[in-house]
Amino acid sequence: QTVVTQEPSLTVSPGGTVTLTCASSTGAVTSGSYPNWFQQKPGQAPRSLIYNTDNKHSWTPARFSGSLLGGKAALTLSGVQPEDEAEYYCLLYYGGAQLGVFGGGTKLTVL
Amino acid sequence: EVHLLESGGGLVQSGGSLRLSCATSGFIFKSYAMTWVRQAPGKGLEWISSVNGGGTNTYYADSVKGRFTVSRDNSKNTLYLQMNNLRAEDTAVYYCAKDLSTSSSLNFDYWGQGTLVTVSS
Repeated sequence: QTVVTQEPSLTVSPGGTVTLTCASSTGAVTSGSYPNWFQQKPGQAPRSLIYNTDNKHSWTPARFSGSLLGGKAALTLSGVQPEDEAEYYCLLYYGGAQLGVFGGGTKLTVL
Repeated sequence: EVHLLESGGGLVQSGGSLRLSCATSGFIFKSYAMTWVRQAPGKGLEWISSVNGGGTNTYYADSVKGRFTVSRDNSKNTLYLQMNNLRAEDTAVYYCAKDLSTSSSLNFDYWGQGTLVTVSS
């Protein structure tokens, strides 16, 4: 069974920079895994932030960026705002019959 | 403006069935793959099923394979999830999500607000 691992929790100060990562139990994450990143605030539906590794949607704030880092997918927030406090999920594509697996989520606290 | 609206959730007994719908507007429905994602209370997101734009290719997580069926009616711009033999562990909010391509690449842009399914044992 494929497992996608994220940091359970991270804390960052307002204005700071933080990087969230997303690792696959099958090996290095590549662009072929089409990493996606989503933000979810309590009581709300997820919101798409990044698709296909590093592509932003029209609504994605410029301070969010996606990349590949050391065999993992990464989401970097630069100049963190209080409203960025949320749960962040990654999604990796594996193809085959089991198309995708979400990471367990990272709870980001802005303090 | 793109809209996705799930419906059909509710309370059902273990072993029962439900059919969820995801009504869409604001885009050419048949041109995009669609996916169902669920979230159990207090838990993370789980990919459960996807279908390509034409409805010819379907994909399922092991946790629902053989019990759930995804389909779409491109004439009605609506996605469906038929859920049979429901179990307590299927209790979750079910979201539909739109893909960026006609094939199921799991590159999402828009999500619905979700519909709650509660399975009582």
